[in-house]
Amino acid sequence: DSGVTQTPKHLITATGQRVTLRCSPRSGDLSVYWYQQSLDQGLQFLIQYYNGEERAKGNILERFSAQQFPDLHSELNLSSLELGDSALYFCASSVAPQTLWSYTFGSGTRLTVV
Amino acid sequence: AQTVTQSQPEMSVQEAETVTLSCTYDTSESDYYLFWYKQPPSRQMILVIRQEAYKQQNATENRFSVNFQKAAKSFSLKISDSQLGDAAMYFCAYRGRGVSGTYKYIFGTGTRLKVLA
Repeated sequence: DSGVTQTPKHLITATGQRVTLRCSPRSGDLSVYWYQQSLDQGLQFLIQYYNGEERAKGNILERFSAQQFPDLHSELNLSSLELGDSALYFCASSVAPQTLWSYTFGSGTRLTVV
Repeated sequence: AQTVTQSQPEMSVQEAETVTLSCTYDTSESDYYLFWYKQPPSRQMILVIRQEAYKQQNATENRFSVNFQKAAKSFSLKISDSQLGDAAMYFCAYRGRGVSGTYKYIFGTGTRLKVLA
């Protein structure tokens, strides 16, 4: 157990629907990062939060949004889902944006859009 | 923009043998970090080894070592005495200083390592 908790582990939904993925960072970590891993692709950075504030945005679609709550857990909201959104979504956490330490990854949420 | 390239989609190695996975990157930054992550079938991303760009000495973690060539922007991973449990997807990752001091990772597309008994 890495200490980063992602729920649910699997999610199957229909096109056009909206889902929420949840991430609880490792205890003490203030930064949360979201990544998308599509089939045969590396991980694409989506967005980062630090202590409740958005810090960096990557290739995140307008249909996607995220937030980090006062208790530091984060949610990634995916709406108007398309077949191409099917992927593994990872959350990672770290102590601070300027940390020298590596990420700690969660085990991911497998999203299947049918 | 920074890029990370892993040109070997798949590699095979005989158990107990040595294998090297290649990674090249492109950046104009001088301050950065490089990582190798392992993703077994469980999907968990596991840190294998990391290298600070300012360090000339190659990082080593037990059977895993890197060959870091800063001028050539090359960062290969050597796995010695390969074991069946090493079979996984391996990702090379770059972490530099992003906008506003944020650090985001840039990942390569991965190399799938098969270990043959």
